[in-house]
Amino acid sequence: ETGVTQTPRHLVMGMTNKKSLKCEQHLGHNAMYWYKQSAKKPLELMFVYNFKEQTENNSVPSRFSPECPNSSHLFLHLHTLQPEDSALYLCASSQDPPGQQETQYFGPGTRLLVL
Amino acid sequence: GQNIDQPTEMTATEGAIVQINCTYQTSGFNGLFWYQQHAGEAPTFLSYNVLDGLEEKGRFSSFLSRSKGYSYLLLKELQMKDSASYLCAVRDSNYQLIWGAGTKLIIKP
Repeated sequence: ETGVTQTPRHLVMGMTNKKSLKCEQHLGHNAMYWYKQSAKKPLELMFVYNFKEQTENNSVPSRFSPECPNSSHLFLHLHTLQPEDSALYLCASSQDPPGQQETQYFGPGTRLLVL
Repeated sequence: GQNIDQPTEMTATEGAIVQINCTYQTSGFNGLFWYQQHAGEAPTFLSYNVLDGLEEKGRFSSFLSRSKGYSYLLLKELQMKDSASYLCAVRDSNYQLIWGAGTKLIIKP
């Protein structure tokens, strides 16, 4: 139990659908992250929120839209996705600025398949 | 650019020892992390190194050489449950985590 939950765990959607991924952290952290994980590739950082403010957007296509209503909740809104967007989407949280050994804690991910 | 290299896949035998290497080139260095990720599950934190040397935690140890840009994760007395992917990540000068692609470890009886 990592203290970070994600729903849904699995999602199949067509290219014209609109769906949302949800993440919640119970660790009292003030920073939250969305990552994309594709097979045999490094984790790709998509978005970072710190104190509810977006601090980084790594050139992510506009068909991905994040929302962070408070420091415990993070959403990723999806619309008109492409098949190459099929991947595992991981949410993480951390304390920012980090103490020396402090790191990010991950949720179990949402396995997304775009048809 | 920033880069983390680790082998794609390794195979080892139950009860044996395995060493997973990680080399890095990053903009600054503020620590190196190892994570374990079982298939379909969240990556979970294993170890942290910021100074040169060996950090031991039960059956797992992690080594760092900052001058060589090199780390390894050593797993002893391998168990079947150690079958997983092992991710190496470096925190750069901006305190961002730079990730390797992970090493899939297969344990055979």
